[in-house]
Amino acid sequence: EAGVTQFPSHSVIEKGQTVTLRCDPISGHDNLYWYRRVMGKEIKFLLHFVKESKQDESGMPNNRFLAERTGGTYSTLKVQPAELEDSGVYFCASSQDRARQTQYFGPGTRLLVL
Amino acid sequence: AQKVTQAQTEISVVEKEDVTLDCVYETRDTTYYLFWYKQPPSGELVFLIRRNSFDEQNEISGRYSWNFQKSTSSFNFTITASQVVDSAVYFCAPDSGGGADGLTFGKGTHLIIQP
Repeated sequence: EAGVTQFPSHSVIEKGQTVTLRCDPISGHDNLYWYRRVMGKEIKFLLHFVKESKQDESGMPNNRFLAERTGGTYSTLKVQPAELEDSGVYFCASSQDRARQTQYFGPGTRLLVL
Repeated sequence: AQKVTQAQTEISVVEKEDVTLDCVYETRDTTYYLFWYKQPPSGELVFLIRRNSFDEQNEISGRYSWNFQKSTSSFNFTITASQVVDSAVYFCAPDSGGGADGLTFGKGTHLIIQP
């Protein structure tokens, strides 16, 4: 069974540009989560989807970040316009059921904003 | 919100030694889950264990064991007879509580196993 996959693995962009990250959860997992780790900080929760609905987006830093999950399958996280402080590793995770089940993580996307 | 303290930033031991990684957490919830994840040099986060706060029995899985002490809010992780492949960053993560769905991660402990 394939795990959580993320694309791209690395992205280098200039300040002000737009970047879109993609996450494909484990097949059959309705729950999808985004996290990020900026340099020197802890891994922080961004938001949670159940199928195509946003359940909790309390961790989204600002309105430059837009997450979507059309059709309840893969998800995208768009950063527009990117700022220097957005550099870090963006992780995606998925779980089968919501009730505090194990979240399985993808390999992450390393974003560098110059 | 939960809080996690992994006081050991980095630990270095020689292969075959036993090593314990500490995790202390704060929570206002009466029921909660605790997780440990491993991040090897390749970067992905690998799930190790999920523990319900009602279950205070210690758990052993091969060379790995976990000691959960609800009274002291600690969930420590021990690797017995460490191997070079155990070198990684290890994260302790309670669920965020209060109905929120994300995990709260500690800063992680970087474990270095020297041959």
